[in-house]
Amino acid sequence: DVKVTQSSRYLVKRTGEKVFLECVQDMDHENMFWYRQDPGLGLRLIYFSYDVKMKEKGDIPEGYSVSREKKERFSLILESASTNQTSMYLCASSPRNRGRGYTFGSGTRLTVV
Amino acid sequence: LAKTTQPISMDSYEGQEVNITCSHNNIATNDYITWYQQFPSQGPRFIIQGYKTKVTNEVASLFIPADRKSSTLSLPRVSLSDTAVYYCLVGDIYNQGGKLIFGQGTELSVKP
Repeated sequence: DVKVTQSSRYLVKRTGEKVFLECVQDMDHENMFWYRQDPGLGLRLIYFSYDVKMKEKGDIPEGYSVSREKKERFSLILESASTNQTSMYLCASSPRNRGRGYTFGSGTRLTVV
Repeated sequence: LAKTTQPISMDSYEGQEVNITCSHNNIATNDYITWYQQFPSQGPRFIIQGYKTKVTNEVASLFIPADRKSSTLSLPRVSLSDTAVYYCLVGDIYNQGGKLIFGQGTELSVKP
C-alpha cells in the first residue's frame, strides 16, 4: 500500500524552538507539498517542491523553510516556533503528472506553547 | 489562479443522492477540476477529477457543463460514513511549477 508518512502524529514545542517536520513517500513521486490546516481557513499551501533540491513558496511561507535533499523526503522547518504556528500540518505528494491527484499523509498536530 | 466557491455545509440522510456544486467562474483553459474528501484527523483523499462533461468512478460522478464555470460532485446513496468535508480544486495539473489551492470545503453531514 503506497503511502506518505509523517514522522510525528502529535508534537508539543516551546516558543523559539527550531522544529523539524519530516515527510517520506514511497511512491517515487516528483512533487511534494506542505500544507497547514486551521479551523475556518481550510488548507493553505506553505511550500512545495517538484524536484530534488527545488522549492517554491506557497501562499504562507513566512516563518517556514523546507529541505528536499532526497526525492522521497521533504522536510518542513520552523526556524523559531511561535504560538501562531500551532496547527495541523499535512504533507502530500504527487507524480509529475498530477492527473492521479495528491496522496496525503495523516498529518502532524503541532502545538507551540 | 481560479478561485472556487462551495457551500459551507450540507445535510443529507442515508440512502439519498447528494450533489455538491462548486463555482469557478475564472477557470482557465488548461485547468482541471479535482475533488477531495477529508475525514476528521486524516489527510484529504482524492475522489475524482475531470476536465469537461461527465466523469464517473466507483465512488462518485463529476458533472461539468460546457462553459466549465461550475462543477457538481454527485455521491449516490450516501451512508453515514460519507460524513466528511469535500473540497473542490481547480488548477493546471500538468504545470509542473503550478500549485493547487484548496478552498474552504463543504462539510457534509449524513444523518440516519
